Amino acid sequence: NAGVTQTPKFRVLKTGQSMTLLCAQDMNHEYMYWYRQDPGMGLRLIHYSVGEGTTAKGEVPDGYNVSRLKKQNFLLGLESAAPSQTSVYFCASSYRTGRLGTEAFFGQGTRLTVV
Amino acid sequence: GDSVTQMEGPVTLSEEAFLTINCTYTATGYPSLFWYVQYPGEGLQLLLKATKADDKGSNKGFEATYRKETTSFHLEKGSVQVSDSAVYFCALVVTNNNDMRFGAGTRLTVKP
Repeated sequence: NAGVTQTPKFRVLKTGQSMTLLCAQDMNHEYMYWYRQDPGMGLRLIHYSVGEGTTAKGEVPDGYNVSRLKKQNFLLGLESAAPSQTSVYFCASSYRTGRLGTEAFFGQGTRLTVV
Repeated sequence: GDSVTQMEGPVTLSEEAFLTINCTYTATGYPSLFWYVQYPGEGLQLLLKATKADDKGSNKGFEATYRKETTSFHLEKGSVQVSDSAVYFCALVVTNNNDMRFGAGTRLTVKP
């Protein structure tokens, strides 16, 4: 019963390098999200997807791109990493949101350091 | 815009003490409200929720009541345990919206 799986769990990048974070869920959820968690700021939404082939911007989308080619996967890309992108990244999925308080399920996080 | 404000931590309590973590919200619609808990090294997991005014969510001895008149959803527990040490996040989802908004999180440490 995997739930939401994120890879990698840790990564160190040099400024200007690119990378992709992978999120996979096995619950057949329509909605998927990428958040970043920074000290004192809680979780902030980067991008989200309401279904296969769709993506939308969240609160802090600049410097990130996403793709949802398959329903179970949601990829987060950093094209040119900056130190300000040092953070812990969480992926989440849910059946729906905003309707009857649907619960979100979170991955264990990816700790990214940009030097 | 929609937002959540929760009391700043950290909070340190002795075992069996009473816990309150305050949470207030601002929303243009009719939100569902949540408390999530994050244990060390893990992702967030749902603790409890409430979907309409006056609803009370409860789980593992924790409770929170959706108060529309005060736009609040305070988390309480009558007797905390060391195992309750974690970071607690208040969150909201506005009906017919597609994202969740989280508070900054409150770190709770319970000492034996």
